[in-house]
Amino acid sequence: DVKVTQSSRYLVKRTGEKVFLECVQDMDHENMFWYRQDPGLGLRLIYFSYDVKMKEKGDIPEGYSVSREKKERFSLILESASTNQTSMYLCASRIYRGLKNYEQYFGPGTRLTVT
Amino acid sequence: QKEVEQDPGPLSVPEGAIVSLNCTYSNSAFQYFMWYRQYSRKGPELLMYTYSSGNKEDGRFTAQVDKSSKYISLFIRDSQPSDSATYLCAMTNLVNAGNMLTFGGGTRLMVKP
Repeated sequence: DVKVTQSSRYLVKRTGEKVFLECVQDMDHENMFWYRQDPGLGLRLIYFSYDVKMKEKGDIPEGYSVSREKKERFSLILESASTNQTSMYLCASRIYRGLKNYEQYFGPGTRLTVT
Repeated sequence: QKEVEQDPGPLSVPEGAIVSLNCTYSNSAFQYFMWYRQYSRKGPELLMYTYSSGNKEDGRFTAQVDKSSKYISLFIRDSQPSDSATYLCAMTNLVNAGNMLTFGGGTRLMVKP
């Protein structure tokens, strides 16, 4: 079974703090993703990574950065947290071969509150 | 207008009812259509996927795609309390950069015993 884990389930941070969200997958997947999920807005892609040290901006990258130094780990960084970044953050990974190229496996999410 | 529209619900049904969940979309290039199920405080998990138009059945679940109407549906027969979750539709055209998924906002389903 694919397992995607996220470092924290719940996180409370203050405005202006630098925040690190960690994601680890154990299935040797090349692709990894960071989404945020807000009521009524669904999942919106922040950043994705095709492979180690590769990253691409998604739909809403402003205020975020990412790091992928190892294949299994993808980190999301909030440079200076703001209250409008209060959200559920979901990490996902995907194998990049075969017919199921679209199938993404999600972690349990990190609910971040910025006060 | 959002690229994928989904009624947020909540949709409340009695146990045993047939449930119909729907999404409409505007991008005619979408070819692969998926339904993800998300239980409370968990990440989404892939439930079903369908390529192009037609039906696909898996146990109590049937996914239906009508590309001419840009409309997809998920039917749940004999619904159970364990089906209570948020259902997200997602779609992709497999030729966009990175085969990214476009998600609907999700419909919250509650099945009452």
